[in-house]
Amino acid sequence: DTEVTQTPKHLVMGMTNKKSLKCEQHMGHRAMYWYKQKAKKPPELMFVYSYEKLSINESVPSRFSPECPNSSLLNLHLHALQPEDSALYLCASSQDGRGGNSPLHFGNGTRLTVT
Amino acid sequence: AQKVTQAQTEISVVEKEDVTLDCVYETRDTTYYLFWYKQPPSGELVFLIRRNSFDEQNEISGRYSWNFQKSTSSFNFTITASQVVDSAVYFCALRPLSGNTPLVFGKGTRLSVIA
Repeated sequence: DTEVTQTPKHLVMGMTNKKSLKCEQHMGHRAMYWYKQKAKKPPELMFVYSYEKLSINESVPSRFSPECPNSSLLNLHLHALQPEDSALYLCASSQDGRGGNSPLHFGNGTRLTVT
Repeated sequence: AQKVTQAQTEISVVEKEDVTLDCVYETRDTTYYLFWYKQPPSGELVFLIRRNSFDEQNEISGRYSWNFQKSTSSFNFTITASQVVDSAVYFCALRPLSGNTPLVFGKGTRLSVIA
């Protein structure tokens, strides 16, 4: 079983909807990440939080809004998405942040479909 | 520039065959870390191994073994006596100490093990 929990597992939303993806870890990790993965492609980094502060935003459109309420939780708020945003969204955590050597531990992902 | 190349897009083997997945990387950092992840159809990225740039010892874990050769910038992964449960996409990844990206992924190799 993964130690990074993501909810929901599947989400279908319209282009005018507002929804949120949630991620939780209880390993005491200090860095958390959002990745987007399209079919048959590697994961692409979206955001990195280190010690609850946003440290990396890979030029992600503002219709994706991350939030880190505390060191164990990471949310991704979605609003006015486009069909091309349909993908698997993966959350990950690691013991250290940028420049460290600890592996990233990934959740099962949320499979998002935008209609 | 940091780059990971997995030249094999898809591999099919018959159960009990040995299979090697190739990974070649590029980095100007003298200290870096290499990882292998497995992504089964369920979607989760499962961490398999981490290797730092100063440790060229090969590693064996059950049916899995890894061959790190700094001289050729390769970090290959061999599965011995493959099983159907090994069917997945395998990603090699590089974690440089410099730059913004916590993990640079290769494009992945899809392994199908046929009974």
